Amino acid sequence: AQSVTQLGSHVSVSEGALVLLRCNYSSSVPPYLFWYVQYPNQGLQLLLKYTTGATLVKGINGFEAEFKKSETSFHLTKPSAHMSDAAEYFCAVRDLMDTGRRALTFGSGTRLQVQP
Amino acid sequence: KAGVTQTPRYLIKTRGQQVTLSCSPISGHRSVSWYQQTPGQGLQFLFEYFSETQRNKGNFPGRFSGRQFSNSRSEMNVSTLELGDSALYLCASSLVPESSYNSPLHFGNGTRLTVT
Repeated sequence: AQSVTQLGSHVSVSEGALVLLRCNYSSSVPPYLFWYVQYPNQGLQLLLKYTTGATLVKGINGFEAEFKKSETSFHLTKPSAHMSDAAEYFCAVRDLMDTGRRALTFGSGTRLQVQP
Repeated sequence: KAGVTQTPRYLIKTRGQQVTLSCSPISGHRSVSWYQQTPGQGLQFLFEYFSETQRNKGNFPGRFSGRQFSNSRSEMNVSTLELGDSALYLCASSLVPESSYNSPLHFGNGTRLTVT
C-alpha cells in the first residue's frame, strides 16, 4: 500500500513570499497523486492532480506541483502567497486497499498561515 | 451546476443513539464516497458506492453503514454512537468509481456530528 507524508503540520509565510508545501509518497509504482485544499468549515477542493508523464502540474489559484520520481515527492508551490491562501492543504494518493480496490488516502495535512 | 450537498450541516446526538447523514452528488455523478475527518486520525475512507452497490469499504466497524439510491443520492448511518464518532463526515462524488485511478473526487461541505 502506498502512503503519503506531509512534512510540516504548520507553515507560515509572509504575503508575497514563496509557498512550498512538501509531500512524499512511498511506492515503486506510478502514483496517482492529488492536492486538495480545505478552507475553514468547508469540504475539500481539488487543487491539482498528477498526470502520467508530466513533471510540472499546474492547478487552480496559481498553485503547481512538481513530480520527482527519484525523490518520490510531489511538492506544492506558489510563487507569491496571498492572504486568501490561508487554509489546510492535503496531499493524497490513490492507495490500494486490502479489498483489492483503490481509495484516496490523505496525508495528515499542512496548515498554511499567511502573515500580512 | 450544483455541487455536492450534505444535510444536515450540524448534528448533536447522545451516546447510544443512531444517526443518518444524507448526501446528494453532483448531477450526473454516479459514484459516492464517504470520509470521516477527525483531529486525531485525519481523513479516513469509510466506503464507496456506485450504482447502488458498495464497491469499497474502509476499516471501520459494522456500526457504520451506507446505501445508495437509484438517483445516486446516498445515506450513511451510524448506530450505537460513541463519543469517538464525533467528527466531520464528508461525502464526495465522481463521474466514475473511485477505483478509476485518475478520477478526482468532488467534496461536499460535510456534516459535523457531535456525540455527547
